[in-house]
Amino acid sequence: DAKTTQPTSMDCAEGRAANLPCNHSTISGNEYVYWYRQIHSQGPQYIIHGLKNNETNEMASLIITEDRKSSTLILPHATLRDTAVYYCIVNYGGSQGNLIFGKGTKLSVKP
Amino acid sequence: DTGVSQDPRHKITKRGQNVTFRCDPISEHNRLYWYRQTLGQGPEFLTYFQNEAQLEKSRLLSDRFSAERPKGSFSTLEIQRTEQGDSAMYLCASRRQSPNEKLFFGSGTQLSVL
Repeated sequence: DAKTTQPTSMDCAEGRAANLPCNHSTISGNEYVYWYRQIHSQGPQYIIHGLKNNETNEMASLIITEDRKSSTLILPHATLRDTAVYYCIVNYGGSQGNLIFGKGTKLSVKP
Repeated sequence: DTGVSQDPRHKITKRGQNVTFRCDPISEHNRLYWYRQTLGQGPEFLTYFQNEAQLEKSRLLSDRFSAERPKGSFSTLEIQRTEQGDSAMYLCASRRQSPNEKLFFGSGTQLSVL
């Protein structure tokens, strides 16, 4: 079973920041937080991952709380093309790496 | 990266028929994964390979399902005696073996069993 809890859906205005929360209260010390997204009719796409420090790349920022029980994915300037289902996944970043997906958050970016 | 390629994109079959899907991973990736996704759900892990060895199978992978990766490159997923409940998107993904390497997914094969 997925070890994360996410809101079912969220809306965001185009050009504004989208902040997607994720709860992972049972995360263990060696587990990473991964974010993927899935645009309709495509396979999931990697966005970002982190262990305990905040991370940023060209797509998004990941903010992980100090106790690591929750995190937030930030899309700084959402566009219509960011409309997708966003999955937050907790996984041991070791040799297997098979990810357990939950139902994710359906983000709708509106003009 | 040339991307993970899956074939066919869509497959319609009648109940009881056998179907086979193919996945071509990114060339330098030695880990290959199969997932299944039904409408409104996230992808569910089925099985994975390291090179040609099948290292883990989910309990979701019934006896009617078989996956192979004979030369450690492309992989096939066969479903025998298909049932309507097998209708789903079948996703393939690949990655390098090193820890924390990200998964790259293909666009999937959408199976409809009539």
